Amino acid sequence: SAVISQKPSRDICQRGTSLTIQCQVDSQVTMMFWYRQQPGQSLTLIATANQGSEATYESGFVIDKFPISRPNLTFSTLTVSNMSPEDSSIYLCSVGVFAVVGHEQFFGPGTRLTVL
Amino acid sequence: RKEVEQDPGPFNVPEGATVAFNCTYSNSASQSFFWYRQDCRKEPKLLMSVYSSGNEDGRFTAQLNRASQYISLLIRDSKLSDSATYLCVVNRPRSGGATNKLIFGTGTLLAVQP
Repeated sequence: SAVISQKPSRDICQRGTSLTIQCQVDSQVTMMFWYRQQPGQSLTLIATANQGSEATYESGFVIDKFPISRPNLTFSTLTVSNMSPEDSSIYLCSVGVFAVVGHEQFFGPGTRLTVL
Repeated sequence: RKEVEQDPGPFNVPEGATVAFNCTYSNSASQSFFWYRQDCRKEPKLLMSVYSSGNEDGRFTAQLNRASQYISLLIRDSKLSDSATYLCVVNRPRSGGATNKLIFGTGTLLAVQP
């Protein structure tokens, strides 16, 4: 599986500010995704990061709040804009790899965000 | 009703015990199924994909029953290091060429006691 790193690993931010999270993969991958895991909850898909075009957002998530960049096949960023305490969560990037059963996803270590 | 449902546990079992987790899914068009393991304050890690005929990986056995829309994970000879949250994950197909979406269950917490 691919080796995935995220920066920062954690941050504490003031409301109204923005934070950009970086995701770097050690090999070229077609599929990259951004998820959120709120305290005590399971993972929710925010968007699919598409290389060379706009990200595909899931219901409930919009580009103005969560702009995503994917300049190449190994890198993506997620920005959490105009933060509020409700945005406190773990943000994870993942990559999809084709396998016998379809595509399997592997996750980065996550970014733990606290908004005050 | 949630698309993927799991018993949240916790399951408290002694070392060496056999424990089984169950999961049901509601979308009959789902094609791929997985078990992930998530340790406290860590990212989910793929434990095993679930094949139609069932599959085994060491002490772990996964089964799929498409008719009942049911997936299971059996852990034999539990170790202390098996303590974690086990996430049932289903791949939901989407139309129009959109990338399939993984739907995560809320997880079952396993605590293996010495």
